[in-house]
Amino acid sequence: DAGVIQSPRHEVTEMGQEVTLRCKPISGHNSLFWYRQTMMRGLELLIYFNNNVPIDDSGMPEDRFSAKMPNASFSTLKIQPSEPRDSAVYFCASRDRVNTEAFFGQGTRLTVV
Amino acid sequence: GNSVTQMEGPVTLSEEAFLTINCTYTATGYPSLFWYVQYPGEGLQLLLKATKADDKGSNKGFEATYRKETTSFHLEKGSVQVSDSAVYFCALGISNFGNEKLTFGTGTRLTIIP
Repeated sequence: DAGVIQSPRHEVTEMGQEVTLRCKPISGHNSLFWYRQTMMRGLELLIYFNNNVPIDDSGMPEDRFSAKMPNASFSTLKIQPSEPRDSAVYFCASRDRVNTEAFFGQGTRLTVV
Repeated sequence: GNSVTQMEGPVTLSEEAFLTINCTYTATGYPSLFWYVQYPGEGLQLLLKATKADDKGSNKGFEATYRKETTSFHLEKGSVQVSDSAVYFCALGISNFGNEKLTFGTGTRLTIIP
């Protein structure tokens, strides 16, 4: 398996623009997580899905952030409008129904200028 | 709730030194415990895990033992290499048919100097 695939790897955008980050989990995994990593705040869980259903979105910072999982093989994290403080590395991770460890993608480095 | 407390960094060691990174946890139920490693510019990779008390996880010369009595899962390596320089995260998860998020510590940055 190719592992968790995220795109793009790098994104530079201007403040106010919409940004969409994409994730393809490992085939057969039923849980998907979105994390944000910054120097100041470390690794933060934004939202996680189980069987395509959002279970906990309490980490989503504000209404500008939204996440969807239309099917078992695809998820998006959208920021609209983006702000400079959203600059971070965003990770997607997935997990199967048996094991509790999660497998991470390579991340998307977002820079909002 | 569940939480993980790990040793604050950064930690700097000379090559071939002995490494310990402390990790303690609080959890309801019976968690599995993990160490993840993040190399520069990459995502987190599972380094090792232990799923029940007294289990020892090991990989690449690293070891950690699940100590229920002290609620700890300290990471150790007998002789570190420059290539071990990375950020290490302790984490816990509780199997609940997938409906349980992983809880991570804040990470410990390790630098090994030749």
